[in-house]
Amino acid sequence: DSGVTQTPKHLITATGQRVTLRCSPRSGDLSVYWYQQSLDQGLQFLIQYYNGEERAKGNILERFSAQQFPDLHSELNLSSLELGDSALYFCASSVSGYALVEQYFGPGTRLTVT
Amino acid sequence: GQQLNQSPQSMFTQEGEDVSMNCTSSSIFNTWLWYKQDPGEGPVLLIALYKAGELTSNGRLTAQFGITRKDSFLNISASIPSDVGIYFCAGRRNAGNMLTFGGGTRLMVKP
Repeated sequence: DSGVTQTPKHLITATGQRVTLRCSPRSGDLSVYWYQQSLDQGLQFLIQYYNGEERAKGNILERFSAQQFPDLHSELNLSSLELGDSALYFCASSVSGYALVEQYFGPGTRLTVT
Repeated sequence: GQQLNQSPQSMFTQEGEDVSMNCTSSSIFNTWLWYKQDPGEGPVLLIALYKAGELTSNGRLTAQFGITRKDSFLNISASIPSDVGIYFCAGRRNAGNMLTFGGGTRLMVKP
């Protein structure tokens, strides 16, 4: 158990809908990262937040957005869902947002878009 | 985006045998990490490497940070059934903490 929690574990929704994925980082960690893992793309970095502020952006679609709240939990919002958005979404956390500080992953949310 | 080429994509081994996998890139990375992912779980950090040439062990696992900073290797000695899973390499280029992942090596161990 990494100490990172994610809810829900599974989510099934229809195309065009909007969903929110939630992540609670390990106690004491200030930085949260979101990754997408699909069969054909592997693990892709989406976005990073540090202490409530966006720190880095990766391959995140404009239909996706995230935020980190004062209690440091984070939410990833996915809208206008398409079939290709079906994937595992992982959250990771680290103590700070800099190098030499490793990321610990949560168990993931499996999103299925039908 | 940047690509990390991980090989082999999958491998079978007999219990007790040693296995090796590697990760290469056309770009230089300042940190190399190795993760293992079990079905239905998130990746778990196994080994982190911070200096070119560094060789680090974690139990039966040994990883090396290539001298050119463009590759890394993971060796598992005396494999056991619980080593089954997908092993991912990840590289970090700069002071930010964004990771680039390889495509994974699926390891299967025959008892």
